[in-house]
Amino acid sequence: ILNVEQSPQSLHVQEGDSTNFTCSFPSSNFYALHWYRWETAKSPEALFVMTLNGDEKKKGRISATLNTKEGYSYLYIKGSQPEDSATYLCASPYNQGGKLIFGQGTELSVKP
Amino acid sequence: NAGVTQTPKFRVLKTGQSMTLLCAQDMNHEYMYWYRQDPGMGLRLIHYSVGEGTTAKGEVPDGYNVSRLKKQNFLLGLESAAPSQTSVYFCASSLKHRLYEQYFGPGTRLTVT
Repeated sequence: ILNVEQSPQSLHVQEGDSTNFTCSFPSSNFYALHWYRWETAKSPEALFVMTLNGDEKKKGRISATLNTKEGYSYLYIKGSQPEDSATYLCASPYNQGGKLIFGQGTELSVKP
Repeated sequence: NAGVTQTPKFRVLKTGQSMTLLCAQDMNHEYMYWYRQDPGMGLRLIHYSVGEGTTAKGEVPDGYNVSRLKKQNFLLGLESAAPSQTSVYFCASSLKHRLYEQYFGPGTRLTVT
């Protein structure tokens, strides 16, 4: 079974700080890596899906990179805002059948 | 479009009781999933379905059954609830050719006493 790990488990930053966190996954039999944003009391919302080594995706102040050879992805948030406070989940398919294995998430708290 | 909806939103059960959680999607998605979310564990896949009339086990299927009689609905059943099944349950769906872009429902918070 695929093991997807995220670090840190939680992060507390001040408004305006830039931050990043990591998702690690086995580099063999890689299919895709997905990032989700999950606000409290809401459902997870897809941010990015990345499939190629070296992929970089950007959505506003949030960006992500992918290294499939070494098995990690970074999520960056530039100039964090209180509305960025959420849990950020990464997930990778177990195989090509669509089953996603999720990491335990990084809980980000941005203080004004 | 309503997207993915789940009923009920909250439920309290006694040990041994049974219940069914309903997930419905109006996006004509082929794939549907049931996850449970527990503190420090992320989302874990219980069962999933790749199409009407088909279901398959995920990571943590024990104690649950599912059915997909119609393409738009995916039911999760607990035959004899246990306190270990206290969790938040999320349903998701995706298109066959965009498997990894899963759309999630709002969740069902279940407490088993």
